[in-house]
Amino acid sequence: GIQVEQSPPDLILQEGANSTLRCNFSDSVNNLQWFHQNPWGQLINLFYIPSGTKQNGRLSATTVATERYSLLYISSSQTTDSGVYFCAGGSNDYKLSFGAGTTVTVRA
Amino acid sequence: DAGVTQSPTHLIKTRGQQVTLRCSPKSGHDTVSWYQQALGQGPQFIFQYYEEEERQRGNFPDRFSGHQFPNYSSELNVNALLLGDSALYLCASNRGNTIYFGEGSWLTVV
Repeated sequence: GIQVEQSPPDLILQEGANSTLRCNFSDSVNNLQWFHQNPWGQLINLFYIPSGTKQNGRLSATTVATERYSLLYISSSQTTDSGVYFCAGGSNDYKLSFGAGTTVTVRA
Repeated sequence: DAGVTQSPTHLIKTRGQQVTLRCSPKSGHDTVSWYQQALGQGPQFIFQYYEEEERQRGNFPDRFSGHQFPNYSSELNVNALLLGDSALYLCASNRGNTIYFGEGSWLTVV
């Protein structure tokens, strides 16, 4: 199956700072999504981004499909951005392989 | 518009017992997937249901089984529970590319 590597595993930010999370895939994917898991366990879909760049408020994501990686940018971080960020990918719509996640802590 | 709903939210079972978890997909969604998330790890795909059929399965033993009903809701059944089955069980639904997750069912096996 597809292997997903996320970096860094942990990230501590001061409120207002910017950060970049990275996700590498062992094989080509045509379904790539980023999620944020809140402290209660719910996964919130941030982006569906198999290629290109998308922005949603202070978050943006870029996927370079030919090089099998994706980046998630958090700008002007807030304490509410804390949590675990996962990327997940698959070769079809049926099955997503998740990385181990990046735990983000934003301090006031 | 209700999102993906799961029940129960928390439960404790004894080794060897059986458990059934339930999921109602987001309105308009016809595809339901189940994932297992152990503490400190990313979710692992269990299986997916579409039109009441299991469409694809991950690397889980036959003790894990499921069902999808005509209204697209789904159940996950786990037989002969092991301590290692303790995890957060997540249900996801989609109709198209974007996948939505429920809040999960926390299962503890003692």
